[in-house]
Amino acid sequence: DVKVTQSSRYLVKRTGEKVFLECVQDMDHENMFWYRQDPGLGLRLIYFSYDVKMKEKGDIPEGYSVSREKKERFSLILESASTNQTSMYLCASSPSLLPYEQYFGPGTRLTVT
Amino acid sequence: DQQVKQNSPSLSVQEGRISILNCDYTNSMFDYFLWYKKYPAEGPTFLISISSIKDKNEDGRFTVFLNKSAKHLSLHIVPSQPGDSAVYFCAARPMRNTGNQFYFGTGTSLTVIP
Repeated sequence: DVKVTQSSRYLVKRTGEKVFLECVQDMDHENMFWYRQDPGLGLRLIYFSYDVKMKEKGDIPEGYSVSREKKERFSLILESASTNQTSMYLCASSPSLLPYEQYFGPGTRLTVT
Repeated sequence: DQQVKQNSPSLSVQEGRISILNCDYTNSMFDYFLWYKKYPAEGPTFLISISSIKDKNEDGRFTVFLNKSAKHLSLHIVPSQPGDSAVYFCAARPMRNTGNQFYFGTGTSLTVIP
């Protein structure tokens, strides 16, 4: 079974703090993704990576950065957390070939106060 | 601009009846579609997929229909069970794609009433 793990299920941070969210997958997938989920807005892509050290912006990259130094690990960084970054953060991984489905981690509920 | 839309935020269905969840898309260059199911405080789990070269795919109680001319897909669940109560997301994959990117809809919350 594919496993995608995220470092924390719940996180509370203060405005202005630097926040690191870690994601690890164990299926040797080339592609990894960070989404945020907000009520009424669905899943919005923040960043994705298709190879080690390669990254591309998604739909809402502002205020975020990412790092992928190893194939199995993809980190999301909030440089200076703000209250509008309070959200559910979901990491996913997928192969590049069929089937294309993305496998998701359990999510991190981040609250910025 | 939202390329994948789920216009019904919620749906309630009686147990045993059919649930139909709808999804519309605007980009004719999508070639692969997925449905995901999400319970609260969990990540989405893959449910069923369909390629753009097909118009139907079936897996047990779940059937996905694709109407390319209308740019519309639907997920049928029959019979519906209380355990199906969750948020359902559709997702579409562009043909020209770096990194297997998908566009997700906003989700439909399904409640199956016992």
